[in-house]
Amino acid sequence: GDSVTQMEGPVTLSEEAFLTINCTYTATGYPSLFWYVQYPGEGLQLLLKATKADDKGSNKGFEATYRKETTSFHLEKGSVQVSDSAVYFCALKDTGGFKTIFGAGTRLFVKA
Amino acid sequence: EAQVTQNPRYLITVTGKKLTVTCSQNMNHEYMSWYRQDPGLGLRQIYYSMNVEVTDKGDVPEGYKVSRKEKRNFPLILESPSPNQTSLYFCASSLRELRELFFGEGSRLTVL
Repeated sequence: GDSVTQMEGPVTLSEEAFLTINCTYTATGYPSLFWYVQYPGEGLQLLLKATKADDKGSNKGFEATYRKETTSFHLEKGSVQVSDSAVYFCALKDTGGFKTIFGAGTRLFVKA
Repeated sequence: EAQVTQNPRYLITVTGKKLTVTCSQNMNHEYMSWYRQDPGLGLRQIYYSMNVEVTDKGDVPEGYKVSRKEKRNFPLILESPSPNQTSLYFCASSLRELRELFFGEGSRLTVL
């Protein structure tokens, strides 16, 4: 079945460091791909998405590119801030369906 | 304001005492779903509903029931809670045409 694998955390960075969180997926067809973010004590919220190969999703300085050849959707940010400390979830939604499958989540700590 | 509202946000109960976690959305979304979040396991889907009176099992449905009598509401019922149902629960919804999920703030349940 479809699945999402993302790098284990926690990831600890200093402010203004470069961030990469790896995400790879297994799916039949052409899923849509997402990154969700969960701030402490809150529900998940959509960070960015891409619906087809080579699409780049971006929001709040974060970017991810849908790479079909490597089945990846890595999250990047050029300069992280303390306020980016959160748990990040990679997810896919199967073609034509309603089911969303989540990775295990990666916790990010950013130190001032 | 568009939102998904869950209640209660926090609950401590004892084994075997029936409880219901309510979920309501005001966005006229067809699709609603329940997830549980456990450390290291990410989000796992319990049940979902594609429209009124249409529900189906997710990946971890054992010990849970749901109903969808109205479009806006999707309660999660634990008929006889057990300690292994101690978890953080999230309700989510989406519109058919849109791909992303909108989440509630979560309900932390402890079963003693």
